[in-house]
Amino acid sequence: AQRVTQPEKLLSVFKGAPVELKCNYSYSGSPELFWYVQYSRQRLQLLLRHISRESIKGFTADLNKGETSFHLKKPFAQEEDSAMYYCASPQRYSGAGSYQLTFGKGTKLSVIP
Amino acid sequence: DAGVTQSPTHLIKTRGQQVTLRCSPKSGHDTVSWYQQALGQGPQFIFQYYEEEERQRGNFPDRFSGHQFPNYSSELNVNALLLGDSALYLCASSPTGGLVGELFFGEGSRLTVL
Repeated sequence: AQRVTQPEKLLSVFKGAPVELKCNYSYSGSPELFWYVQYSRQRLQLLLRHISRESIKGFTADLNKGETSFHLKKPFAQEEDSAMYYCASPQRYSGAGSYQLTFGKGTKLSVIP
Repeated sequence: DAGVTQSPTHLIKTRGQQVTLRCSPKSGHDTVSWYQQALGQGPQFIFQYYEEEERQRGNFPDRFSGHQFPNYSSELNVNALLLGDSALYLCASSPTGGLVGELFFGEGSRLTVL
């Protein structure tokens, strides 16, 4: 079964400092990975997916198959980045759209002004 | 579109009681999944409903059951509540043909079992 591991429960950085939120995965086949974010008093929402290779709110994540990692990075942290971040991977079943997401335990990012 | 809506937002029950949580998916979404999020943990998959049937189920006992209605809304029922059932219950919806991995979550129902 797919597993995603987020080794850090809490990460504190100063505003303007680089951020790296770690995610490691165990996967059979071609990995699919996502980052979800939950800001204070808001619902859980998709931040970015590995296949899009795009930057969302300044965040990027690169899939490193050799290290089985999908770390989330941002060069300069902003106060509004403070949130819970979850790495997730789908476990597919037969049937179009049939899958479940497996989430890591999450990392709380705190950006210090 | 209000997005995914869940009710109630908070509730308190005692051990042995039963609870029903409700979810209305985002407009145009026909698939509803339920997740349990215990304190300090990531969401854990309970089950998924599609076309009014349970399509997939996670590692949860039969005390957890659900239903999907013709309008795609869904209920999660938990019988014989245990203290360990205290958690945030999240409903997520997605459309057939939607991007894999993109779920739209509600704000959750926080259940406390005393």
